[in-house]
Amino acid sequence: DAGVIQSPRHEVTEMGQEVTLRCKPISGHDYLFWYRQTMMRGLELLIYFNNNVPIDDSGMPEDRFSAKMPNASFSTLKIQPSEPRDSAVYFCASSLAGQGVTEAFFGQGTRLTVV
Amino acid sequence: GQQVMQIPQYQHVQEGEDFTTYCNSSTTLSNIQWYKQRPGGHPVFLIQLVKSGEVKKQKRLTFQFGEAKKNSSLHITATQTTDVGTYFCAVPDSWGKLQFGAGTQVVVTP
Repeated sequence: DAGVIQSPRHEVTEMGQEVTLRCKPISGHDYLFWYRQTMMRGLELLIYFNNNVPIDDSGMPEDRFSAKMPNASFSTLKIQPSEPRDSAVYFCASSLAGQGVTEAFFGQGTRLTVV
Repeated sequence: GQQVMQIPQYQHVQEGEDFTTYCNSSTTLSNIQWYKQRPGGHPVFLIQLVKSGEVKKQKRLTFQFGEAKKNSSLHITATQTTDVGTYFCAVPDSWGKLQFGAGTQVVVTP
């Protein structure tokens, strides 16, 4: 398995533009997480899905942020309109629920810069 | 939701020395995970602890879960430059939500 795949790896956009981040989880995993990482706030959980259904989006900072998971193999995180304070590394992670170890596998991340 | 506090936030270590990082919770944890993130990289799972008082070792890394299951520690012996990075503890809840601590950033001086 190729692991969790995120695209793009880097994104530079102007303030006010729409940004869409993409994630392909590991096949068979039933949990998908979106995290944002900054120096100031560390790793923040934005939203997570279980079997494609959003379970908790309380970490989504504003209505400008939205996330979807139309099927088990794809998820998007959209920011519209983007602002400079949204600049961060966004990670997608997936895991498989079970009785044993439930480690999360992270993608390489998308480094977003809003200018 | 439950939160975990990690200390110290930063750790400067001379190569060859030992150090310990701690993760503390005000509530009893069902289990706890540890991750390592290299500079410029992504978090990578190291281990999960489940049982009260559990101790697990991975080469020079020793992980411990407190008897009351409210704290955990990671001890690294004979630190090497490859140990550079940020070490996170993470707490999964019963719904599968994985909450990370603030992390301990480790810098190793040769």
